[in-house]
Amino acid sequence: ETGVTQSPTHLIKTRGQQVTLRCSSQSGHNTVSWYQQALGQGPQFIFQYYREEENGRGNFPPRFSGLQFPNYSSELNVNALELDDSALYLCASSGGQGHYGYTFGSGTRLTVV
Amino acid sequence: GNSVTQMEGPVTLSEEAFLTINCTYTATGYPSLFWYVQYPGEGLQLLLKATKADDKGSNKGFEATYRKETTSFHLEKGSVQVSDSAVYFCALSDLNSGYALNFGKGTSLLVTP
Repeated sequence: ETGVTQSPTHLIKTRGQQVTLRCSSQSGHNTVSWYQQALGQGPQFIFQYYREEENGRGNFPPRFSGLQFPNYSSELNVNALELDDSALYLCASSGGQGHYGYTFGSGTRLTVV
Repeated sequence: GNSVTQMEGPVTLSEEAFLTINCTYTATGYPSLFWYVQYPGEGLQLLLKATKADDKGSNKGFEATYRKETTSFHLEKGSVQVSDSAVYFCALSDLNSGYALNFGKGTSLLVTP
C-alpha cells in the first residue's frame, strides 16, 4: 500500500508567478485535503475534495484553487504568488471523508522571493 | 467555530521522564480528536485518535482519552525516549466542518539523554 506522495519536494518562485503542486493520494482514498503550514505554526486548512467535487474550503482567497482527478490525485494551484505564501504545503488523503483521520504526505516546501 | 488549544512549548524532558501535553477543544458538533506528530523536515503522522467520548487512543506508548466533560484530549507517555523528540499537534474534525482537520499550534518536545 503506497502512501501519499507529493511533488515537487522543494520549489522557489518569484512574487507574482503561478505555481502548481501535485499530490497522489493513498490507494483506495477518495478524499484529498490541502493544508498550508507556515514556519512554527500548525497546518491551516485550504480546501478539500471528495470524489472530484470541492466539499470544503478554509479562509483562503480564490487565487488558491484546486482539482481532483478521477484517480483521486489532486493539484493545488496558487496564482499571483505573494511572499506570505512561503510555507510547507501538505496534502492529506482519507477514505470516508476523513472521519477516521487522514494520511499526510511529506509536503512541498514553497519559497516565494 | 471549532478551535484547539495546546500548551505552549518547547517542552524539554530527560529520557524516561513522564510526558503530558495538554489539549483542550471547542466544537459545535461531536468531533473526532487526533494527535499528529511531525519529525524534523517531514510531514505529519497520525499518532492516535478517538472518535467518541471516553474513548482512549493509544499507540507507541502514547495515550490520550477523549474527555467530553472537560473538552480535553491530553497526550501522555510514561517514559519518553530521545527518538520521541518532535512537534506534536492536537487536532479535531467533525461533520460540520466536512471533517477537515482543525489543528492546534503544536508543542515542540525535546528529549535529552
